[in-house]
Amino acid sequence: AQSVTQLDSQVPVFEEAPVELRCNYSSSVSVYLFWYVQYPNQGLQLLLKYLSGSTLVKSINGFEAEFNKSQTSFHLRKPSVHISDTAEYFCAVSDPSGGSYIPTFGRGTSLIVHP
Amino acid sequence: DADVTQTPRNRITKTGKRIMLECSQTKGHDRMYWYRQDPGLGLRLIYYSFDVKDINKGEISDGYSVSRQAQAKFSLSLESAIPNQTALYFCATRKGGPSNTGELFFGEGSRLTVL
Repeated sequence: AQSVTQLDSQVPVFEEAPVELRCNYSSSVSVYLFWYVQYPNQGLQLLLKYLSGSTLVKSINGFEAEFNKSQTSFHLRKPSVHISDTAEYFCAVSDPSGGSYIPTFGRGTSLIVHP
Repeated sequence: DADVTQTPRNRITKTGKRIMLECSQTKGHDRMYWYRQDPGLGLRLIYYSFDVKDINKGEISDGYSVSRQAQAKFSLSLESAIPNQTALYFCATRKGGPSNTGELFFGEGSRLTVL
């Protein structure tokens, strides 16, 4: 069975400061890893994903995440945040080996960007 | 128009009433999911379906039932609603087959309040 731990339920930060949202997972097999973002009153949308290959993956709006197999982590980072980045962020893991790909989600981290 | 549409977006009902939440999609995906979101608990899987004749229970299926009326439609029912079913419900879809990447596409959510 797989599980996801998001270590921080809330991360307050000032605009233009760097931020890291932490995600650790447990799984006995190879995994696919995802970060989803949920803006207020909206559904979740994919921010970035790791399937294979390069361990550093990037989104179009400046976020990046690095897959660390030895530490079973997939932390999300941004060097300089904007007010518009205020949202709930969910880390998710799925197991591609069985074919079901059903993702398990973390509890979410609320990123609050202050002016 | 949204690719994944949920109706109603908001619903207030009373304990014991039967409620149906509907989901339709125009993405042509065969896999459909119902999740429940509660503050601090993230997303939990209620039911999922890989095609019209395939229905599977998720981790919290008790008190819920589903119907896959067509490839594009997946409904969630609460036969007798209770207050602890007050939550935000999300429908999601995914493309199956060898080329899929595990990414889920979400509707905008249905907020249900049971009094």
